[in-house]
Amino acid sequence: GESVGLHLPTLSVQEGDNSIINCAYSNSASDYFIWYKQESGKGPQFIIDIRSNMDKRQGQRVTVLLNKTVKHLSLQIAATQPGDSAVYFCAVNNAGNMLTFGGGTRLMVKP
Amino acid sequence: DVKVTQSSRYLVKRTGEKVFLECVQDMDHENMFWYRQDPGLGLRLIYFSYDVKMKEKGDIPEGYSVSREKKERFSLILESASTNQTSMYLCASVSTGVPEAFFGQGTRLTVV
Repeated sequence: GESVGLHLPTLSVQEGDNSIINCAYSNSASDYFIWYKQESGKGPQFIIDIRSNMDKRQGQRVTVLLNKTVKHLSLQIAATQPGDSAVYFCAVNNAGNMLTFGGGTRLMVKP
Repeated sequence: DVKVTQSSRYLVKRTGEKVFLECVQDMDHENMFWYRQDPGLGLRLIYFSYDVKMKEKGDIPEGYSVSREKKERFSLILESASTNQTSMYLCASVSTGVPEAFFGQGTRLTVV
């Protein structure tokens, strides 16, 4: 089955710096990838997604990069703000609408 | 605004009790999921349902059952709660077209 891993459990960045959160996946047939943000006491919320026919997608202050060769996904947050402090999950689709989630990376923003 | 609503934010139950966690979505989605979330383990799939009265086991179904009598409602049942079922429970709803999951706010269950 799918396994999804994150490289770091906690990431601490200075306010205003850029943040990069990484995720590895194992199923080369996966074709849809999502990043979620989970703030304390809340359920995960969608940030950005990317399909396997793309290698980069940009949103507002966020960019997702997909490297299918090494099965690696990253989320970049530009000019990180205190409100970005949260746990970030990557999710990868398996068959149909099944999503497998990574363990989460906690992003801490230092003022 | 799409919504997935879980009936309780916090629950405290005793060992051996039967526990019902309710989830309702207003997006007319076919697929609904129950996950539990534990520190260091991420989100683990307990059960899912892709249609009314249909259910499939996820990765950790032991000690749980589910019910989907109506499309909008997916219930997770702990037949006899145990302390190792203390966790955050998350319900998600997914459309058939695009596998983006919409989550409820979570239920933090403590079994004492």
